[in-house]
Amino acid sequence: DSGVTQTPKHLITATGQRVTLRCSPRSGDLSVYWYQQSLDQGLQFLIQYYNGEERAKGNILERFSAQQFPDLHSELNLSSLELGDSALYFCASSRFVGSNNEQFFGPGTRLTVL
Amino acid sequence: AQSVSQHNHHVILSEAASLELGCNYSYGGTVNLFWYVQYPGQHLQLLLKYFSGDPLVKGIKGFEAEFIKSKFSFNLRKPSVQWSDTAEYFCAVNPRDTGRRALTFGSGTRLQVQP
Repeated sequence: DSGVTQTPKHLITATGQRVTLRCSPRSGDLSVYWYQQSLDQGLQFLIQYYNGEERAKGNILERFSAQQFPDLHSELNLSSLELGDSALYFCASSRFVGSNNEQFFGPGTRLTVL
Repeated sequence: AQSVSQHNHHVILSEAASLELGCNYSYGGTVNLFWYVQYPGQHLQLLLKYFSGDPLVKGIKGFEAEFIKSKFSFNLRKPSVQWSDTAEYFCAVNPRDTGRRALTFGSGTRLQVQP
């Protein structure tokens, strides 16, 4: 158990819908990262937050957005869902933004878009 | 931007065989290097990491990796695999000389250990 929690574990929804994935980082970790794991794209970085502020963006679609709240939990919002958004979404957390930080991964949310 | 190549996509070994998984990265500056393992149905777990210092890094479960800067490589090794090592292995990097801390992953190597 990494100490990072994600809910829900599984989510099945229809095209065009909107979902919210939730992540709680390890106690004391200020940075949260979101990654998408799909069969065709592999593991890709989406977005990073540090202490409530967006820090870096990766291959995140405009239909996707995220935020980090004052209690440091983060939510990833996916809207206008398409079949191709079906994937495993991982959240990771780390203590600092500094150079030698190690990321701890949550169990993931498996999203299925029908 | 950095990239990571894992040349072996699927490796099948018998128990007690030795393992070496290749990882090469492309980036002009200094990097942190990681190997993660993903057991079936589970999340990514860190096997080992290299930040600086001794290029031979020892991790959990008997795994080790060697950073060869001249070859931009960080190969993962284990002298004798067990059935429980069946999993997918990911090499990842992030640059040390920028503010970007997100990991860039390789495509993964699926290891199947036969009893």
